[in-house]
Amino acid sequence: GEDVEQSLFLSVREGDSSVINCTYTDSSSTYLYWYKQEPGAGLQLLTYIFSNMDMKQDQRLTVLLNKKDKHLSLRIADTQTGDSAIYFCAESMTNAGNNRKLIWGLGTSLAVNP
Amino acid sequence: GAVVSQHPSRVICKSGTSVKIECRSLDFQATTMFWYRQFPKKSLMLMATSNEGSKATYEQGVEKDKFLINHASLTLSTLTVTSAHPEDSSFYICSARGVGTREQYFGPGTRLTVT
Repeated sequence: GEDVEQSLFLSVREGDSSVINCTYTDSSSTYLYWYKQEPGAGLQLLTYIFSNMDMKQDQRLTVLLNKKDKHLSLRIADTQTGDSAIYFCAESMTNAGNNRKLIWGLGTSLAVNP
Repeated sequence: GAVVSQHPSRVICKSGTSVKIECRSLDFQATTMFWYRQFPKKSLMLMATSNEGSKATYEQGVEKDKFLINHASLTLSTLTVTSAHPEDSSFYICSARGVGTREQYFGPGTRLTVT
């Protein structure tokens, strides 16, 4: 089945690291994504990782992938108040029309306290 | 680059009327566009995938006669909610993917309220 799960809330202090976790069910997923949605705004692609990679780093963002456990995490170093948003994990699949589609988690609401 | 716009950003309509939402890729050609629906405190639900010049592929449980999708050009897709009911009230988001890319770029969303 298609299922992506995330914890709903995370609260951290400014300057600390944030780790947002995600589990997925489809072992055939080739790409996994992290998107950010700020209040009243659209979705912004933060980063993605190919399924044959274990880790990807992009400035303050580190993505870790454990394919065996189907576990994906996003670490934000030196978290700032501007990082407060909802973070969505998504896995890619191919639908009936042979188009790639994204299966989404419910989103983790990150609150950064000064 | 990779900007996607939606129009209108917010619309209120009466039950029984139809509403059209436009999704445009402003600086790239979108061979594939996706329409999503997002409920409060819920994840995005993919409604349909459309490729330019062909019929949309609808996800299971989405009524194609109620949610009409037209992807007439490489920069424009429209979603028409026909005979709208209050339960159609939601946040509708489109995304677009360009030629040879795997990233989806999202529009800002359209808030539909059916009274």
